[in-house]
Amino acid sequence: DTGVSQDPRHKITKRGQNVTFRCDPISEHNRLYWYRQTLGQGPEFLTYFQNEAQLEKSRLLSDRFSAERPKGSFSTLEIQRTEQGDSAMYLCATRALAGQYEQYFGPGTRLTVT
Amino acid sequence: DAKTTQPPSMDCAEGRAANLPCNHSTISVNEYVYWYRQIHSQGPQYIIHGLKNNETNEMASLIITEDRKSSTLTLPHATLRDTAVYYCIVGDRNNDYKLSFGAGTTVTVRA
Repeated sequence: DTGVSQDPRHKITKRGQNVTFRCDPISEHNRLYWYRQTLGQGPEFLTYFQNEAQLEKSRLLSDRFSAERPKGSFSTLEIQRTEQGDSAMYLCATRALAGQYEQYFGPGTRLTVT
Repeated sequence: DAKTTQPPSMDCAEGRAANLPCNHSTISVNEYVYWYRQIHSQGPQYIIHGLKNNETNEMASLIITEDRKSSTLTLPHATLRDTAVYYCIVGDRNNDYKLSFGAGTTVTVRA
């Protein structure tokens, strides 16, 4: 257990529905990252926050995706109008702002779109 | 785009050292080499990182060649629990340590 938690761990939804995932970081970690991982591939960067500010978004993050980190604490990732191609593991990772290089990953949320 | 090249898979005998190679011939002067691993159905786990010196911690050792174009991660006494996908990643402060994973090396430790 890294101290980063994600909820839910598994989500099955029908195409066209909206889903929201939550990540609770290690409390003193300022940086929070979202990654997506499809079967057989390494994780791909989606977006990251420093405190409540979203500093970068990947081209992978289409308009149907939105992420927030209100008050610089937990973060949510919402996918609107889900498509079958959104089926993946969504991973959250956090890192302390200064003097620490490693990211601590949560267990992930497995999304299946039927 | 991943900046590293790793063998897709390797086997290792339990109790023996596992040496995982990684090529990063286009690494820039400010980029670090990171190693993470991912055990099945879990999130990636940080192992070790280095810039140009050899590094050791309780999990592994990292040797980076003098020209920094390649590195080797060593698990000194592999156990069955070390079976995982191992990722070699390069990244620097300019990208805020954003990790760019490749396909990694699937390491299978056999009894």
